[in-house]
Amino acid sequence: GENVEQHPSTLSVQEGDSAVIKCTYSDSASNYFPWYKQELGKRPQLIIDIRSNVGEKKDQRIAVTLNKTAKHFSLHITETQPEDSAVYFCAASFSGNTPLVFGKGTRLSVIA
Amino acid sequence: GAVVSQHPSWVICKSGTSVKIECRSLDFQATTMFWYRQFPKQSLMLMATSNEGSKATYEQGVEKDKFLINHASLTLSTLTVTSAHPEDSSFYICSASWDRVREQYFGPGTRLTVT
Repeated sequence: GENVEQHPSTLSVQEGDSAVIKCTYSDSASNYFPWYKQELGKRPQLIIDIRSNVGEKKDQRIAVTLNKTAKHFSLHITETQPEDSAVYFCAASFSGNTPLVFGKGTRLSVIA
Repeated sequence: GAVVSQHPSWVICKSGTSVKIECRSLDFQATTMFWYRQFPKQSLMLMATSNEGSKATYEQGVEKDKFLINHASLTLSTLTVTSAHPEDSSFYICSASWDRVREQYFGPGTRLTVT
């Protein structure tokens, strides 16, 4: 089955700097790669996703890149703000309505 | 966007009792619902996939007789934790989907504490 590795497990950045979180997956059949932000006690919130027919996607300060050959994808947050502090999870699945396999998460702290 | 609700949002029960958690899609018909479990400071782990009108598919290591899942309609799935024990204390989150090209929509989660 699918296995998703996520690094780093914790990340501290100064406000205004960029943050990068990387994930690798094992199943070449995976085609859907969402990223979630989760605050304590809350549901995961989808912040951006990418499908295998696209190499890069951007939404304001957030971007995701996908390298299908190498089976890795990355989240880039630019101009970080204190409210970006949360736990971020990457995930992989075959499609939007198939089970998600999550990475272990990255705790991002943005220091003002 | 699509809305998924869960009830209750938190529950405390005594060891040996059963607890039912409801997951509802409020403004769409969910052909597929998923149940995840999240222990403190850990990731979400899939417990089972539930398709309307058919038996749930459980992940390896998840006891189907302990975690009863029913998806009787396109808007409701239930998870019943039978004979709960303290080690079942966790955050249970459902998600729902109706289309392969759309995202999964997560419920707000249910915090279960077994004393």
